[in-house]
Amino acid sequence: EVQLVESGGGLVQPGRSLRLSCAASGFTFDDYAMHWVRQAPGKGLEWVSGISWNSGSIAYADSVKGRFTSSRDNAKNSLYLQMNSLRAEDTALYYCAKDIGSGVQLWTTSYNWFDPWGQGTLVTVSS
Amino acid sequence: DIVMAQSPDSLAVSLGERATINCKSSQSVLYSSNNKNYLAWYQQRPGQPPKLLIYWASTRESGVPDRFSGSGSGTDFTLTISSLQAEDVAVYYCQQYYSTPPAFGQGTRLEIK
Repeated sequence: EVQLVESGGGLVQPGRSLRLSCAASGFTFDDYAMHWVRQAPGKGLEWVSGISWNSGSIAYADSVKGRFTSSRDNAKNSLYLQMNSLRAEDTALYYCAKDIGSGVQLWTTSYNWFDPWGQGTLVTVSS
Repeated sequence: DIVMAQSPDSLAVSLGERATINCKSSQSVLYSSNNKNYLAWYQQRPGQPPKLLIYWASTRESGVPDRFSGSGSGTDFTLTISSLQAEDVAVYYCQQYYSTPPAFGQGTRLEIK
């Protein structure tokens, strides 16, 4: 069974940093692109970042570009999101999600639909 | 960037009746070389992560009941639930994966009338 388990969320002050992790199991992790998607309380889904199977292609939403960094360790079947200079508007439930493809096609970034999703980890940015 | 817009924002339908949710993209998500629409639908029940229902605009994910169907092409898409069941109460999202960044609609909340 494919399983994604996020961790690392919590309460953090504005301007500080936090690192999220996503532990994957039940599939060949290094075959697939992975994503971070967030959901502010009571709001909709916002794609945050995607990373290809070999980390060769990484993309970010404009809202987090320059502040967040995605990475993965295929030997540990793990995905990470380093979040710096956090703002109140970053408060959200952060999901990791598996792409059904590798994240690259004909040498360009290429994403697909996301399946499955983890349960999420809550990040609250507040003083 | 492609922007996705869903309508309505919320919908109340009686049990056993049809529910229809619309999704419109700011530009076509139909890739001419393979004639596929790069659009997916997700269901998010209260307190749960999103669950994939449909991809390529009309292909039902394995295990999804056949009362769920997707249609449309280019910029206009529809998710239809043919006979609403109590367990279908959820928020539904469309997502385009034609280009980066992938983008979601704002969601449509479906309730029982």
